[in-house]
Amino acid sequence: GENVEQHPSTLSVQEGDSAVIKCTYSDSASNYFPWYKQELGKGPQLIIDIRSNVGEKKDQRIAVTLNKTAKHFSLHITETQPEDSAVYFCAAYNTDKLIFGTGTRLQVFP
Amino acid sequence: NAGVTQTPKFQVLKTGQSMTLQCAQDMNHNSMYWYRQDPGMGLRLIYYSASEGTTDKGEVPNGYNVSRLNKREFSLRLESAAPSQTSVYFCASSEQPWTGSGNTIYFGEGSWLTVV
Repeated sequence: GENVEQHPSTLSVQEGDSAVIKCTYSDSASNYFPWYKQELGKGPQLIIDIRSNVGEKKDQRIAVTLNKTAKHFSLHITETQPEDSAVYFCAAYNTDKLIFGTGTRLQVFP
Repeated sequence: NAGVTQTPKFQVLKTGQSMTLQCAQDMNHNSMYWYRQDPGMGLRLIYYSASEGTTDKGEVPNGYNVSRLNKREFSLRLESAAPSQTSVYFCASSEQPWTGSGNTIYFGEGSWLTVV
């Protein structure tokens, strides 16, 4: 079955810097890759997603890139702000299940 | 504007006790899911219901049962709780089952369950 690995597990950045979180997946048949943000005490919320026929997608300060050959995809957050502090999860859709990565705790220091 | 609502938010159980986590969505979604979240393990699917009247096992179904009561409600039952079931449980829903088209999954705020 699909396996999704996510790195790093924790990431600390200064406000205004960029943050990058990377995920790899194992099954080349996976074709949809969403990213979720989870704030303390809340459920995960979708922030951006990408399909396998697209290499990059951007939404304001966040972007996702996908390299199908290498089977990895990344979340990029530019001009980070304290409110970006949260746990971020990547996921890969395969057949009939959405498999999640183990999460990255991002801390943005003022 | 409730979205996905799950109860209770916190629960402490003794080993061997049973309980049911309730979930309801008001978005007229067809599909509903139960996940558990453990430190360092991300979100793992327990059971899902692609549509009213159907349920299927996910990655970690052992020790759980589910009921899709109607289109709105999807409950998760622990028949004989074990300490290994200490976790945060999330209910979620989407308009359609996963088909590769990428239906957005909406999560509830979670239920913190401790089994002692």
